[in-house]
Amino acid sequence: DAKTTQPPSMDCAEGRAANLPCNHSTISGNEYVYWYRQIHSQGPQYIIHGLKNNETNEMASLIITEDRKSSTLILPHATLRDTAVYYCIVRGPAAGNKLTFGGGTRVLVKP
Amino acid sequence: DGGITQSPKYLFRKEGQNVTLSCEQNLNHDAMYWYRQDPGQGLRLIYYSQIVNDFQKGDIAEGYSVSREKKESFPLTVTSAQKNPTAFYLCASREVVGNTQYFGPGTRLTVL
Repeated sequence: DAKTTQPPSMDCAEGRAANLPCNHSTISGNEYVYWYRQIHSQGPQYIIHGLKNNETNEMASLIITEDRKSSTLILPHATLRDTAVYYCIVRGPAAGNKLTFGGGTRVLVKP
Repeated sequence: DGGITQSPKYLFRKEGQNVTLSCEQNLNHDAMYWYRQDPGQGLRLIYYSQIVNDFQKGDIAEGYSVSREKKESFPLTVTSAQKNPTAFYLCASREVVGNTQYFGPGTRLTVL
């Protein structure tokens, strides 16, 4: 699985959009970008994933650059309950086993 | 209501005792996983199972055992051979189509 780089922490104002960057410059053509988050003392929660096209669901949007070397997770209207550690993971379709969580970005949503 | 359940949420055991953590899913997923998470650390894979009656060791299987007698259930036993069992244990399952893993709420095990 390709290595990812994320900022260690960021703050966001409640009600504003939170833009979380992730660099994955060594990503292969068949590897997907996954985002999970982990709220304190809970299990990781799947947010969204994509291959090359931008994706949107009820939780967030995922923007992947054209060269696929980086991506941005967008939480459109951050709430206090979005405070969590957000993990960007790159993995191929055949990598059916372990998920490798890096350091992630600790997001603090402030009122 | 579909999902993954783990019980109990908190578990305390004396040193030297074996303990079994429960993981159940009603998502009809074939593959199931056990991870361990230590404070401030990422997840480490203990065991995984791709199908009933079959399982493989992950990166840190020593001191742990599993069984997969039913598709819905993948219990993890932490044995007395595990030197540092105090941790947060997470169970996950993977959908049949696609590669997304979904996690349970976790069990926090403390060995006294």
